[in-house]
Amino acid sequence: KAGVTQTPRYLIKTRGQQVTLSCSPISGHRSVSWYQQTPGQGLQFLFEYFSETQRNKGNFPGRFSGRQFSNSRSEMNVSTLELGDSALYLCASSLFQGTDEQYFGPGTRLTVT
Amino acid sequence: EDQVTQSPEALRLQEGESSSLNCSYTVSGLRGLFWYRQDPGKGPEFLFTLYSAGEEKEKERLKATLTKKESFLHITAPKPEDSATYLCAAVPGTASKLTFGTGTRLQVTL
Repeated sequence: KAGVTQTPRYLIKTRGQQVTLSCSPISGHRSVSWYQQTPGQGLQFLFEYFSETQRNKGNFPGRFSGRQFSNSRSEMNVSTLELGDSALYLCASSLFQGTDEQYFGPGTRLTVT
Repeated sequence: EDQVTQSPEALRLQEGESSSLNCSYTVSGLRGLFWYRQDPGKGPEFLFTLYSAGEEKEKERLKATLTKKESFLHITAPKPEDSATYLCAAVPGTASKLTFGTGTRLQVTL
């Protein structure tokens, strides 16, 4: 059974640009959550999607947004990139919303210069 | 505000030297406490879920326990391949989002 996949794995962008990251959950999993990981703040919850609807949101500015498609794949978008957005962005999937066991992908390493 | 604190930040053990990692939490209506292992450059790998005080789970050299205020990850006779960052996370009763601690970096040497 394939795990969670994320593309691209590495990305370098310039301040002010925008970026879109993609996540394909484990087959059959319908909930996708996104996390930002930085050395200083650790892993922080961004948002969760289930049935194409955002169900939970963390404390991040509106520049961070996402969506989920009917096949459960999800994308995350960051607009007007700032240097502080450099991080590892992790996607996790679970069977249903509220299912506690979340399985993580390898992440997308975003560097903003 | 939900909070998870892990200690120590870093731990260096010799092969075979058992120890414990601590995770203390302040979460409204804890629904579950999770342990993950993360290797450099990879996403966290799920290890255990604990739901109620007194619960214990084991996997190879690892055993996780839960009390009303904290969780412990006991590592018995560790091997170099156990070297990784161990993360704990709590899920409150109100939302299905994980609140993570900052992790314990474990290094096991020969």
